[in-house]
Amino acid sequence: ETGVTQSPTHLIKTRGQQVTLRCSSQSGHNTVSWYQQALGQGPQFIFQYYREEENGRGNFPPRFSGLQFPNYSSELNVNALELDDSALYLCASSLAVGQPRNEQFFGPGTRLTVL
Amino acid sequence: EDQVTQSPEALRLQEGESSSLNCSYTVSGLRGLFWYRQDPGKGPEFLFTLYSAGEEKEKERLKATLTKKESFLHITAPKPEDSATYLCAASILTGGGNKLTFGTGTQLKVEL
Repeated sequence: ETGVTQSPTHLIKTRGQQVTLRCSSQSGHNTVSWYQQALGQGPQFIFQYYREEENGRGNFPPRFSGLQFPNYSSELNVNALELDDSALYLCASSLAVGQPRNEQFFGPGTRLTVL
Repeated sequence: EDQVTQSPEALRLQEGESSSLNCSYTVSGLRGLFWYRQDPGKGPEFLFTLYSAGEEKEKERLKATLTKKESFLHITAPKPEDSATYLCAASILTGGGNKLTFGTGTQLKVEL
């Protein structure tokens, strides 16, 4: 069974640039969620994708957007990067959306640094 | 507003010294309480999910319990390799799916 994978591992960008982060879900999982974790904080929910559609969103501006593909992999896009976007970005996959018992399993994360 | 609070923020134990971590929650429509372990610079590693008050789960030296307002992670006779940040999260319905609302974690250091 393949776990959740993310790429790239690390990324350095400058303010105003755009970035795309990628995630492959665990084998058999059809739902992907994205989280932002600032240093010393718990992860914050960005949004969730199911059947290629956004299925719930946290308090993040529209410059944070995403995609889910037919193979359940996903992308997180961030436009007009700001210094405060520097964080560990985590992807989590789960078996079925809306089900009471749906553990979310996390990938290793992408460390984004905005200069 | 949904809120998850963990205490203490940091905990230093001697090897073999048992203790408990606390996670209190105020959420609408809890759909599960999750515990994760996170090592520095890594993604959270799933430990347990608890779904109803009174439920308990165990794994090696760890035992998680749940009441209607809080959850505890009990660590029995910890070893240095148990050093990590322990995160709890409440699963809450959002849109058509579930989102996790996390606490800020308890940073555990186990010394020889």
